[in-house]
Amino acid sequence: ETVLTQSPGTLSVSPGDTATLSCRASESVSSTYLSWYQQKPGQAPRLLIYDASTRATGIPDRFSGSGSGTDFTLTISRLEPEDLAVYYCQQYGTSPQLTFGGGTKVEIK
Amino acid sequence: QVQLQESGPGLVKPSETLTLTCTVSGGAISSYYWNWIRQPPGKGLEWIGYISYTGSTNFNPSLRSRVTMSLDKSKKEFSLKVNSVTAADTAVYYCVRLWASRLDYWGQGNLVTVSS
Repeated sequence: ETVLTQSPGTLSVSPGDTATLSCRASESVSSTYLSWYQQKPGQAPRLLIYDASTRATGIPDRFSGSGSGTDFTLTISRLEPEDLAVYYCQQYGTSPQLTFGGGTKVEIK
Repeated sequence: QVQLQESGPGLVKPSETLTLTCTVSGGAISSYYWNWIRQPPGKGLEWIGYISYTGSTNFNPSLRSRVTMSLDKSKKEFSLKVNSVTAADTAVYYCVRLWASRLDYWGQGNLVTVSS
């Protein structure tokens, strides 16, 4: 089973600053199979990034993904108050077919 | 615009079977994998499994012994059954479309509480 470990657990960032979120896999993950999601309070998650670095439809360019192998990063530039959310990474692979990281909560200072 | 909508009871008694249905609108049911994902209150996301448009299934090993899924193409619906539920099955259950390894459309979620 591929375990995804996200850090930090909570990130407190001021509006206008940059947030850097980490997702580390216990074994190598194909970039094609790594996605990021945003879950705002009381809402369902929303696809942000797929194939490690491709923004989903309608996602602003403030959100960017990078990484390969076992280390992946989600970067949120020019942070806005509406970016308050929990962010999850997800990989698609072998059994179990699909796993999520534990999430990083982004707080606005 | 593709939309998914979960339906089912919000309360299930311990040891009974949890049943949820997801209705797909605004898009085809063919060519995709249809998933159930759950989230216990205040916790993270757990993948339960999926059913493909051909009817093949793949489940999380941690739940495989208690889970079944079905698909009705004519109604554009797919369903989840979890038997022998306990309080640990209390969660918001999401139905989600999987395409090319990414979960691109999510339902709004259905909170299911297991309690007598």
